[in-house]
Amino acid sequence: DTGVSQDPRHKITKRGQNVTFRCDPISEHNRLYWYRQTLGQGPEFLTYFQNEAQLEKSRLLSDRFSAERPKGSFSTLEIQRTEQGDSAMYLCASSNRQGGEKLFFGSGTQLSVL
Amino acid sequence: AQRVTQPEKLLSVFKGAPVELKCNYSYSGSPELFWYVQYSRQRLQLLLRHISRESIKGFTADLNKGETSFHLKKPFAQEEDSAMYYCALSVTGGFKTIFGAGTRLFVKA
Repeated sequence: DTGVSQDPRHKITKRGQNVTFRCDPISEHNRLYWYRQTLGQGPEFLTYFQNEAQLEKSRLLSDRFSAERPKGSFSTLEIQRTEQGDSAMYLCASSNRQGGEKLFFGSGTQLSVL
Repeated sequence: AQRVTQPEKLLSVFKGAPVELKCNYSYSGSPELFWYVQYSRQRLQLLLRHISRESIKGFTADLNKGETSFHLKKPFAQEEDSAMYYCALSVTGGFKTIFGAGTRLFVKA
């Protein structure tokens, strides 16, 4: 296991297009998180899954954003009708109960909306 | 509302000098505090957590509930300590970790 994996590493899209990112957490981790990070800021919480259940969504997550974790393993984050303000690094993290809230992060997906 | 404040965007010190990265938090309950670090071209990773009371790579951090602070300290900075450091707060019983804006530490030779 090489840790949390995210795909793609970079995504360039035109405004108005839909994009989807994938996250594969560490296999034994039941908790999965999505964060967004813009230049000069720390990661901002977007949403959280425990197994397949999405337990919280940030107000940052507009109706254009949707996340799924269908089988409690990998997760996808979709952004519909992208806007230039969506340009950011999207980070995925996972954890397990034994580790408390120690988060293991992926390398992120850098989204650029032109 | 929960909040983490890191007042310094950039901290530059000479090799061998002491370093202190400041972190203040706002939370009415019992917090769990962390320091995460991101080295150049690497992913964000945990450096230390207050409940472990450990020293990692020579760094320590003490939770001061009276001052609501969790400053990160190292007595003698090394060039390899140059990185982005984020203070983070996890609320009691929760799953949301809130991050500060980060401090870039630059250790000069």
